[in-house]
Amino acid sequence: SYELTQPLSVSVALGQTARITCGGNNIGSKSVHWYQQKPGQAPVLVIYSDGNRPSGIPERISGSNSGNTATLTISGAQAGDEADFYCQVWDSNTVVFGGGTKLTVL
Amino acid sequence: QVQLQESGPGLVKPSQTLSLTCTVSGDSFSSGSYYWSWIRQPAGKGLEWIGRIYTSGRTNYNPSLKSRVTISVDTSKNQFSLKLSSVTAADTAVYYCATAPGGRTSLDYWGQGTLVTVSS
Repeated sequence: SYELTQPLSVSVALGQTARITCGGNNIGSKSVHWYQQKPGQAPVLVIYSDGNRPSGIPERISGSNSGNTATLTISGAQAGDEADFYCQVWDSNTVVFGGGTKLTVL
Repeated sequence: QVQLQESGPGLVKPSQTLSLTCTVSGDSFSSGSYYWSWIRQPAGKGLEWIGRIYTSGRTNYNPSLKSRVTISVDTSKNQFSLKLSSVTAADTAVYYCATAPGGRTSLDYWGQGTLVTVSS
């Protein structure tokens, strides 16, 4: 089965840029989606199909995907960005999630 | 805009069947084809996809749960449902329903989630 690997945690200073990676075999050939989940809340789609933002998601959140790594980038990190982030792909007729990354804004 | 709401028992006994329903509001059921998914999340852990059903009734399931899972859809009631049989404590989790327009592999809209505890 296909596996997605994310770092357990990422820290970023307030106002700086955070990058969260999602590794998978030839993930660049797949469409990657990203979700943000704050404590006690349902996940929210923040990036779909590698780099597209749903309505209402700020431009400082972006995504890219190439080779064996997809990356979620959060520019100008704010305290409100603290959350768990999950990447997701569709493979062999199943939804596959990464293990999740906890983003801490210092 | 699509809104989803999970409902069902919050406590299920071991070996019994967990049953949840997701009620959908908005025009999604009548306006086009959607995928309707179930996802769960044990406390303090990550997301696990359970399975999905297309508006036509076609299903896909997580291979690790396939033998115990049934997902169905009732378009007349704007609902889709999850049944998970032979539950154990390991099935204790927050269960989410989610959806996306047909052709999309993302999960665009989510319910708020419902906690199901398996305990005697």
